[in-house]
Amino acid sequence: QVQLQESGPGLLKPSQTLSLTCTVSGGSINSGGFYWSWIRQYPGKGLEWIGYISYSGSTYYSPSLKSRVIISVNTSENKFSLNVTSVTAADTAVYYCARTDMGLGEAIDIWGQGTMITVSS
Amino acid sequence: QSVLTQPPSASGTPGQRVTISCSGSSSNIGSNPVAWYQQLPGTAPQVLISKNYQRPSGVPDRISASKSGTSASLAISGLQSDDEADYFCSAWDDSLNVYVFGSGTKVTVL
Repeated sequence: QVQLQESGPGLLKPSQTLSLTCTVSGGSINSGGFYWSWIRQYPGKGLEWIGYISYSGSTYYSPSLKSRVIISVNTSENKFSLNVTSVTAADTAVYYCARTDMGLGEAIDIWGQGTMITVSS
Repeated sequence: QSVLTQPPSASGTPGQRVTISCSGSSSNIGSNPVAWYQQLPGTAPQVLISKNYQRPSGVPDRISASKSGTSASLAISGLQSDDEADYFCSAWDDSLNVYVFGSGTKVTVL
């Protein structure tokens, strides 16, 4: 059973770079047919898709975040990562890593537990 | 403001049927498969429905969904206290080139 676990700093100051890592266990990140995703949820509960990456490194980003976001994959360690530059208070949210199943019409079939990221001076 | 519109709340008594609507456009629901997610308090969302109406294994058959044109709906029959949660619809949007979510509907069991 595939499980995902996020790890990251928790608290950042404005203008810093947010770096999160997602560790995949119980399965290989090299499995075809899946994209490895990042989604965030604001305190008011709204969900925002950030982007995803294939095991081969093909990336797709939300146009609204594309200039500040990089998603990368490390297949040897079965991990993928998110970097968001120049964070502001508007980036405060719970960040989820997740698996998108292209065979299920791009449904997100596995989610990590989420990690709260707060941006504050 | 979300691209997919859902009612903010819905409620019913135990055993009743509750329906949640999700309104979109030709660039999202009208041309791509819809998924539905349940988010229990303090937990991550979980997929309930994929490809418009398909239930992953483990999702009970009292959960059902449909799609027509640019709208979709989720129905919960035989409402139980465990169904109290937030529910989100989602789909890829071909115009925005982004995966979009509905604003979420909070279901309360009275």
